[in-house]
Amino acid sequence: GAGVSQSPSNKVTEKGKDVELRCDPISGHTALYWYRQSLGQGLEFLIYFQGNSAPDKSGLPSDRFSAERTGGSVSTLTIQRTQQEDSAVYLCASSLEVTGGYEQYFGPGTRLTVT
Amino acid sequence: AQSVAQPEDQVNVAEGNPLTVKCTYSVSGNPYLFWYVQYPNRGLQFLLKYITGDNLVKGSYGFEAEFNKSQTSFHLKKPSALVSDSALYFCAVRDAPSGGSYIPTFGRGTSLIVHP
Repeated sequence: GAGVSQSPSNKVTEKGKDVELRCDPISGHTALYWYRQSLGQGLEFLIYFQGNSAPDKSGLPSDRFSAERTGGSVSTLTIQRTQQEDSAVYLCASSLEVTGGYEQYFGPGTRLTVT
Repeated sequence: AQSVAQPEDQVNVAEGNPLTVKCTYSVSGNPYLFWYVQYPNRGLQFLLKYITGDNLVKGSYGFEAEFNKSQTSFHLKKPSALVSDSALYFCAVRDAPSGGSYIPTFGRGTSLIVHP
């Protein structure tokens, strides 16, 4: 079946502009995660959605970052007033969260470059 | 708080030799453990997991990992390395659903380089 998809695959923006990154999780997966990965580095957790529960926003680096998940499916990560340090690959993942299904499936990522 | 340590930034191995990528963890409850692989300019792919049951788990591409509760380790292994195994490998841990954080913690990653 279809995997996790993300769009756009690449985004170049000027410092100070707002950007929106989109994630389409695997159908039926109740959990959705956003991570950030800088060049050659590990994964930095940003935000977690699980079903209808309030999202866990503990990883968001500043109030310029926000995310929403509509209808328990598609998610959008918004970065306002982008800064050069926001340049990274933003990864989305989803998981089933039932017995036998706790592994995460990752999208290909959105490479964000702030100039 | 949960944590994962991958003590080696890079592992070098000759093609055809066995490989091991190390991972140790800390969680408050029962661990769910995962290995993921990231090929250049790609997202992460799930390799294998330990949830419960046999301590030796087998996954994709001939990889396996052994859960050792006393040593809190979950090392990734493969009997015979291929050049195409060269990639970045991440270990991750989370608590079982009845435990603490449902958010997996990832290690910093280990770069595996397999030489022809």
